[in-house]
Amino acid sequence: EAQVTQNPRYLITVTGKKLTVTCSQNMNHEYMSWYRQDPGLGLRQIYYSMNVEVTDKGDVPEGYKVSRKEKRNFPLILESPSPNQTSLYFCASSYTPTHEQYFGPGTRLTVT
Amino acid sequence: GENVEQHPSTLSVQEGDSAVIKCTYSDSASNYFPWYKQELGKRPQLIIDIRSNVGEKKDQRIAVTLNKTAKHFSLHITETQPEDSAVYFCAAASFKAAGNKLTFGGGTRVLVKP
Repeated sequence: EAQVTQNPRYLITVTGKKLTVTCSQNMNHEYMSWYRQDPGLGLRQIYYSMNVEVTDKGDVPEGYKVSRKEKRNFPLILESPSPNQTSLYFCASSYTPTHEQYFGPGTRLTVT
Repeated sequence: GENVEQHPSTLSVQEGDSAVIKCTYSDSASNYFPWYKQELGKRPQLIIDIRSNVGEKKDQRIAVTLNKTAKHFSLHITETQPEDSAVYFCAAASFKAAGNKLTFGGGTRVLVKP
């Protein structure tokens, strides 16, 4: 079954404690992205990757890091989380940015 | 960079009526315009998309129109049903030469009243 998976689905953490949200896809997609969703602000792109070892900033990259060492995986790293990073995070993959995005189930992150 | 504005932010319609959501974009290099539907507690899913070489596209009760000159595109849902209640997002994107970002609008919460 074609899918995008994310883990964990829910996470409550404290300010400053490093965390990683994993994302994996099994569709051999080259393009992968991370978005955050906040009420009234829609989906904002954090980082995207065109292929292995190729990543670039989206519209809201501050406070986040990513890596793309394998085609299927695109983890999101918060080295020092802060309360303003409390949000719903979605990973997505597609062939290119101009093809259908397949979203993961989302990760709800709360930073206290 | 690209800026996508979406209106209205909320839309309440009677079952059977039509719903229209409008988006404007700023980057003339954008050439792909998808629409996503997000039901409560679920992930966004593509419902229809249009490319810049096409002015209109239909799929059953939904249609999208694109005006490249004015830089706006719209989603039309006819004969609305309760299952159309959701949040809808428009987006704009381009590939390679003009950048590789995908920019979403702020979303429209649609409520279809039976």
